[in-house]
Amino acid sequence: DAGVIQSPRHEVTEMGQEVTLRCKPISGHDYLFWYRQTMMRGLELLIYFNNNVPIDDSGMPEDRFSAKMPNASFSTLKIQPSEPRDSAVYFCASAIHTEAFFGQGTRLTVV
Amino acid sequence: DQQVKQNSPSLSVQEGRISILNCDYTNSMFDYFLWYKKYPAEGPTFLISISSIKDKNEDGRFTVFLNKSAKHLSLHIVPSQPGDSAVYFCAARGLRGNTDKLIFGTGTRLQVFP
Repeated sequence: DAGVIQSPRHEVTEMGQEVTLRCKPISGHDYLFWYRQTMMRGLELLIYFNNNVPIDDSGMPEDRFSAKMPNASFSTLKIQPSEPRDSAVYFCASAIHTEAFFGQGTRLTVV
Repeated sequence: DQQVKQNSPSLSVQEGRISILNCDYTNSMFDYFLWYKKYPAEGPTFLISISSIKDKNEDGRFTVFLNKSAKHLSLHIVPSQPGDSAVYFCAARGLRGNTDKLIFGTGTRLQVFP
């Protein structure tokens, strides 16, 4: 298995534009997590899914953020409209047992 | 509300010596505790874990200790090597009810110097 695949690796966008981050989890994993890495909060959990169903989205910072998991092999995190303070590295991770496996992350820069 | 806390943002250790990274948590419902290692421009990678029913787990140079009464765990690296220089994240997860999310601390940057 290729592991968790995220795309794009880097995204530069202008303030106000819509941004969509994509994630392909490891086949057979039933949990999917979206994190944002910041200096102040470390790896901040935004939302997670179990069997494609959103379980807890209390970490989503604002209504501008939304996430979907239409099937077991694909998830998206959307920011609309994007703002400069959204600039960070966003990670997706999947799990079947205790530990989760991470993708390489998407570095988002909003200018 | 930071349920998993790493109070030391950085640690510097000489090669060959022991590195001790600490982590505190607040939720007694956690069932597993994990340590991840992260290099720049890469995703975190799983290092070692411990079940809440144990107090020690060892894997080569890495040992994790759990003190449930103090809600504290630590990662020991012996001997430390320059390749261990990275950011280490402590994480916790429950398997009951709504605790099955994986929550991370803020990380500790370890530097191992020659």
